[in-house]
Amino acid sequence: AQSVTQLGSHVSVSEGALVLLRCNYSSSVPPYLFWYVQYPNQGLQLLLKYTSAATLVKGINGFEAEFKKSETSFHLTKPSAHMSDAAEYFCAVSDYGGSQGNLIFGKGTKLSVKP
Amino acid sequence: KAGVTQTPRYLIKTRGQQVTLSCSPISGHRSVSWYQQTPGQGLQFLFEYFSETQRNKGNFPGRFSGRQFSNSRSEMNVSTLELGDSALYLCASSETGGHYTDTQYFGPGTRLTVL
Repeated sequence: AQSVTQLGSHVSVSEGALVLLRCNYSSSVPPYLFWYVQYPNQGLQLLLKYTSAATLVKGINGFEAEFKKSETSFHLTKPSAHMSDAAEYFCAVSDYGGSQGNLIFGKGTKLSVKP
Repeated sequence: KAGVTQTPRYLIKTRGQQVTLSCSPISGHRSVSWYQQTPGQGLQFLFEYFSETQRNKGNFPGRFSGRQFSNSRSEMNVSTLELGDSALYLCASSETGGHYTDTQYFGPGTRLTVL
């Protein structure tokens, strides 16, 4: 069965510092991978998705993620954190050939940004 | 275009009651998915509907059911409510649920509290 592990339930960075949120997946077939962000009292917003077209995926708000099959990882990065990046981030996976409407989510990582 | 709307936004029920939540997808979207979000279990997939047919179903008891209407609006129903059903219920829509070109958009959720 598919699964996603996000390392670190809380990550704190200073404004302007590198953001690195970790995600490892478990899948026996090439998966589709997603990063979503959730601001307080709101739904989820798609940051980026990997669909095998390119291993380095660029998303919105300056975020990007790199698919590494050998490490079964899909870590999210941003070179310089802004205060507005403070939110909860979720990594998700779906089966190849499956529907994007059926996602398996990680437990989430809450990002804090210090001034 | 208007986003995904969910009604009501907040709901308080007592154990044993039943509840119906509503989701209106973005105009033109035919895939609607439901997720349950709790602090303990995180985000869990409930079911997905496409063109009025249930396409995928998560691992939830039969007390959880849903349907989709011809205008793509969807409802989910929970019967015989339990305390553990207290959660944020998120609805998401996309044009087809496919991966390559589709983007899934989430609504703000319905916060259900069971007393």
